[in-house]
Amino acid sequence: AQSVTQLGSHVSVSEGALVLLRCNYSSSVPPYLFWYVQYPNQGLQLLLKYTSAATLVKGINGFEAEFKKSETSFHLTKPSAHMSDAAEYFCAVSRVDSSYKLIFGSGTRLLVRP
Amino acid sequence: GAVVSQHPSRVICKSGTSVKIECRSLDFQATTMFWYRQFPKQSLMLMATSNEGSKATYEQGVEKDKFLINHASLTLSTLTVTSAHPEDSSFYICSARPRDRGNHEQYFGPGTRLTVT
Repeated sequence: AQSVTQLGSHVSVSEGALVLLRCNYSSSVPPYLFWYVQYPNQGLQLLLKYTSAATLVKGINGFEAEFKKSETSFHLTKPSAHMSDAAEYFCAVSRVDSSYKLIFGSGTRLLVRP
Repeated sequence: GAVVSQHPSRVICKSGTSVKIECRSLDFQATTMFWYRQFPKQSLMLMATSNEGSKATYEQGVEKDKFLINHASLTLSTLTVTSAHPEDSSFYICSARPRDRGNHEQYFGPGTRLTVT
């Protein structure tokens, strides 16, 4: 069965510091992986996606993620945090069957300190 | 492009009444729409998958008679919470998968906050 694990329910960084949000997946076949961001009382916005092309994926707002098959990881990074990055971040994997259902991690809340 | 809207954004209803939430794909046709429920400070829980012109498929543990889903067109799906109770209070989010795309991408609506008093 596929699954996603996000390590750290809360991550706190200083403004300007590196952001690293961790995501590990479990999948018997090459997965489709996604990172979404959610601001309070809003829906989810797609940051980036991995669909078996380049292993380093660049997304919006300066975020990027690297797919590492050997580590079954898809960690999200941003070189320099901005106050506006404070939000909830979800990693997700798409089911390998034809249902296209997304399996979400538990989420990581990013706090950015001034 | 790829905008999904939900209406209403917030609704307060009395216990025992029914509430309908609409999910629309504004600039694309959606073969499949998904309905999620999110409790405070938690992840999204998939409730059901809605395919245009066919019956919705519900996840295990979701009462299909309580959460009625209709996907009447390629741009509209509705979720009706019947005989609502306070424990149904939650944030409901829909997503839509564009037709003619094979990259597993979904676009999410802004969510609907339901409060049952």
